[in-house]
Order: sequence, then structure tokens, then C-alpha cells
Amino acid sequence: AQSVTQLDSQVPVFEEAPVELRCNYSSSVSVYLFWYVQYPNQGLQLLLKYLSGSTLVKGINGFEAEFNKSQTSFHLRKPSVHISDTAEYFCAVSDGSGTYKYIFGTGTRLKVLA
Amino acid sequence: DVKVTQSSRYLVKRTGEKVFLECVQDMDHENMFWYRQDPGLGLRLIYFSYDVKMKEKGDIPEGYSVSREKKERFSLILESASTNQTSMYLCASNQVVAGAYEQYFGPGTRLTVT
Repeated sequence: AQSVTQLDSQVPVFEEAPVELRCNYSSSVSVYLFWYVQYPNQGLQLLLKYLSGSTLVKGINGFEAEFNKSQTSFHLRKPSVHISDTAEYFCAVSDGSGTYKYIFGTGTRLKVLA
Repeated sequence: DVKVTQSSRYLVKRTGEKVFLECVQDMDHENMFWYRQDPGLGLRLIYFSYDVKMKEKGDIPEGYSVSREKKERFSLILESASTNQTSMYLCASNQVVAGAYEQYFGPGTRLTVT
């Protein structure tokens, strides 16, 4: 069965510093990978996705992620964070067999400090 | 823009009440989902529907039922609300993008059962 692990439940970082949020998945088949962001009291919004092709994926708000098949990872990065990036971030995987279900990680709460 | 709307942002109900959570999407998506979100547990799938009148249990269906009489509307029903169903409920629908399913979320309903 597929699973998604987000290794950090909370990540505090100072404004303008770089950040990396980690995500590992387990799957024996090809996968599609997603990062979603949830601002306080809102639903989830798609940040970026990896479907195929280039392993470096760029998303909205200056975020990017790198798909690493050998390490089964899809870490999210931003070179310089803003206060407005404070939110919860979810990694999700959908397998390539055509299923429409997602498996979500437990989330990482990013807190940007002034 | 895809829009997924949920009937209430906040809801307070008493133990034993029957509760209806409504979700509507305006993009003619075939698949719709209900998730429950709790701190430290991420998103857990309650039920999903892949067509009108069709439904499948997710990971935590106990205490819930669903109804999909029209393609655009997917309802979650708590037959007899209990305090352990206090949670954030998120509705989603999805579409195929380059062979993968991309999910769109509603704003969520924060349900408190007292």
C-alpha cells in the first residue's frame, strides 16, 4: 500500500531564510506527486505537481520541488520565505495506475518568524 | 476557475442530531470526495463518489453516509452526531490532467458537536 511521510510536523524559520519541507513516499508503481498549502481556516490549494518529465517542478508563490525516484522523495523548497508563507503544507501521492484517490501526508506547519 | 463550495463554514450541533454537510462543484467533475482533517492526522478519506448514485467507502466511513443524486452535489450525512466527529470536513472534486487526477478543494466546514 502507498504511504506518504512528512518528516517534520512543524518548521519554524526566520523571514527571508530558505526552507525545505520534506516528503517521502512509498510505492511500487509510478506515481504522481503533489504539494498543497492550507492557509488558516481555508481549504487546500495546489502549490505544484509532478506528473512526468523534468524532476524539478516550479509552483506558485516561488516554491519548487524535486522528484527523486531513487530516494522516493519529493521535498518542497523556497529560497526566501515571507511571513505570508505561514501555513500548513501537505504532500500527496496518487499512483499512476489510473486510480483517482490520493494519499496525504500528515502535514507540516511552517511558521515564518519576523 | 474551478469552484467547490460547502454549505457552511462553521457548524455547531448537539450529540445525537442528524447533520448534513453539502458540497457543490461547478466544473462537471465526475469524482467527488469527503475528507476529515484532524491535527497530526492529516486528511483521511471518508467516502468518495465516481458517478451519480455511486459511492465507495474510504478509510474511515463508520458513522457517516453520503448521497449523490446530482453530478454537481455530494452530501455527507452524520446519522447521529457524536463528540468524536468534531473536526474539519473538506470536500473535493477532481479532473484528469495529463493522465493524473488533480483535486480541487472547498473551503471546509468546521463542525463542533457538543
